[in-house]
Amino acid sequence: EVQLVESGGDLVQPGGSLRLSCTASGFTFVEYSMYWVRQLPGKGLEWVSGISWHSDYAGYADSVKGRFIISRDTAKNSLYLQMSSLRAEDTAFYYCVKDIRPYYYAPDGVFEVWGLGTMVTVSS
Amino acid sequence: SALTQPASVSGSPGQSITISCTGTTSDVGAYNFVSWYQQHPGKAPKVIVYDVNNRPSGVSNRFSGSKSGITASLTISGLQAEDEADYYCASYTRSSNYVFGTGTKVTVL
Repeated sequence: EVQLVESGGDLVQPGGSLRLSCTASGFTFVEYSMYWVRQLPGKGLEWVSGISWHSDYAGYADSVKGRFIISRDTAKNSLYLQMSSLRAEDTAFYYCVKDIRPYYYAPDGVFEVWGLGTMVTVSS
Repeated sequence: SALTQPASVSGSPGQSITISCTGTTSDVGAYNFVSWYQQHPGKAPKVIVYDVNNRPSGVSNRFSGSKSGITASLTISGLQAEDEADYYCASYTRSSNYVFGTGTKVTVL
């Protein structure tokens, strides 16, 4: 069974940093592009970042560009999101997501398997 | 900015409803890679349509997608109580990122 388990969410002050992790299992992690998608409680979805299966390509939403860095560790079957200069508007539930097809990234990424998410709260 | 969806759509059991997703020539109009997601309260989203009109294995054929120009659509036929949920469209953009729709709440009367 494909599983994605996020961790690292916390309460952090504005301007602070946080690192989210996502541990993947049940599929060949190295073959799939991965993404982070966030959702404010009771609100809509926002794509945050994505990274290709071979880590050669990474993309970011304009709202986080220059502040967030996505990375992956194939040996640990893990996806990461390093978040810095956090703002109140970054407060959200962060989902780790797997693409539906191996060896695809853009423009035909499909968000197939979602983790349960981890909550990030930015507040003083 | 986010793709535009109606805030809510409702229908009676057995009816068909259609949810629109309007973008621009830089996203929906530029690629045939629109996907749709269903989200029940307290749950993670689930992909129900991708590449405009393909369904993942296990998704009911009551869900179908289409696209014309800058507007994509999701049709749910034979509406059932379990279809009551939030629905989001998504598309790749010429800015090399992805964008979701504003979301539509489907109510089964």
